[in-house]
Amino acid sequence: QSVLTQPPSASGTPGQRVTISCSGSSSNIGSNTVNWYQQLPGTAPKLLIYSNNQRPSGVPDRFSGSKSGTSASLAISGLQSEDEADYYCAAWDDSLNGHVFGTGTKVTVL
Amino acid sequence: QVQLVESGGGVVQPGRSLRLSCAASGFTFSSYGMHWVRQAPGKGLEWVAVIWYDGSNKYYADSVKGRFTISRDNSKNTLYLQMNSLRAEDTAVYYCARDLFPGIAAAGLGYWGQGTLVTVSS
Repeated sequence: QSVLTQPPSASGTPGQRVTISCSGSSSNIGSNTVNWYQQLPGTAPKLLIYSNNQRPSGVPDRFSGSKSGTSASLAISGLQSEDEADYYCAAWDDSLNGHVFGTGTKVTVL
Repeated sequence: QVQLVESGGGVVQPGRSLRLSCAASGFTFSSYGMHWVRQAPGKGLEWVAVIWYDGSNKYYADSVKGRFTISRDNSKNTLYLQMNSLRAEDTAVYYCARDLFPGIAAAGLGYWGQGTLVTVSS
């Protein structure tokens, strides 16, 4: 069951900036940090952003995250063809004592 | 380097049981919380369960509570998921994943295995 809400799709041309939103509640995003995962076709998810806006080693700085209240967003600047993937937000939920994921957003590079 | 390798998936009839394993290497397994996450065909990610680094705490998604059991053997660097009373809606790729930081379950899932497919069908 997805508790965090994302738009089903987003798109842009190469070089453009694309933003994905993620809406939650006080028990998850409102109380804990937000993480973002990228899932390329046919592969396992990969951590893209942790602690709202931190990038693991190796993640390009084209990817950035932010959080405000019970919402968060992921921005991809300078969109590239290899960014075509599914993106999921996630956060720990204090009521469930577990992670909750977003509904997922498919990014298409036109 | 960190490696997580799942095994044990396959085709199983509704109501039957299956046990998944996840062999870990490249890090101090006993220091990290571990998770199972699943993804039904063509669907999004669903968190399934977590077990603390020392096995002291275990939590489950409502959809599997009472049917699935997460466990670990720190001497064998292996994570398990015992799945009982399987249903068609449990059909999914099951991933094991490691906490990003030791002792902090909320920080995110830093490493993932390649997944193992479980198909529940008669």
